[in-house]
Amino acid sequence: DIQMTQSPSSLSASVGDRVTITCRASQSISSYLNWYQQKPGKAPKLLIYAASSLQSGVPSRFSGSGSGTDFTLTINSLQPEDFATYYCQQSYNTRSTFGQGTRLEIK
Amino acid sequence: EVQLVESGGGLIQPGGSLRLSCAASGFTVSRNYMSWVRQAPGKGLEWVSVIYSDGSTYYADSVKGRFTISRDNSKSTLYLHINSLRAEDTAVYYCVKVGGGPINWNFDYWGQGTLVTVSS
Repeated sequence: DIQMTQSPSSLSASVGDRVTITCRASQSISSYLNWYQQKPGKAPKLLIYAASSLQSGVPSRFSGSGSGTDFTLTINSLQPEDFATYYCQQSYNTRSTFGQGTRLEIK
Repeated sequence: EVQLVESGGGLIQPGGSLRLSCAASGFTVSRNYMSWVRQAPGKGLEWVSVIYSDGSTYYADSVKGRFTISRDNSKSTLYLHINSLRAEDTAVYYCVKVGGGPINWNFDYWGQGTLVTVSS
């Protein structure tokens, strides 16, 4: 299985900050990488697909980049509703795997 | 509007069996890939299984041989049959619609989840 490693595991930031979350794959996955946001007690929500494409309805302050093994999720000008847990997920092969998650907390 | 509504979770003893259901609306189940993803309490997301539009099925190694994914196209319903339940199967199980194409796909719609608790 392809291992996905996110860093950091947790992050404290303030409203208005710019934050970056990193996801590294154990082998090259081209651009087959998606990002999700999950709030407590809720189902995950797709934010970014194919490494850099913004899902419909997602604010433009979210962006993704990367290819191969290294990917980033950037959130510009953090809003109160952005404090949540973020997961990356590879769709390179059928047996998909997720990163362990990054918890974004209010400083 | 796409909607996915899971049911069938509950408290079950180790070694028991369960069938989870997911009622889908707003799209055609048979024409889409559908998946199950689970999340143990306080833990991350784990992909469990997928069924392709051609009926092909795939499983995570942790559930292979114990879980079976299926669908009833006439009822627009996805199922997950779970046998030989273990404590480590305790989790919220999400029904997920797969978006994108057969290449570079993603999980674009999620149900609210159903909790399965395995305990004596």
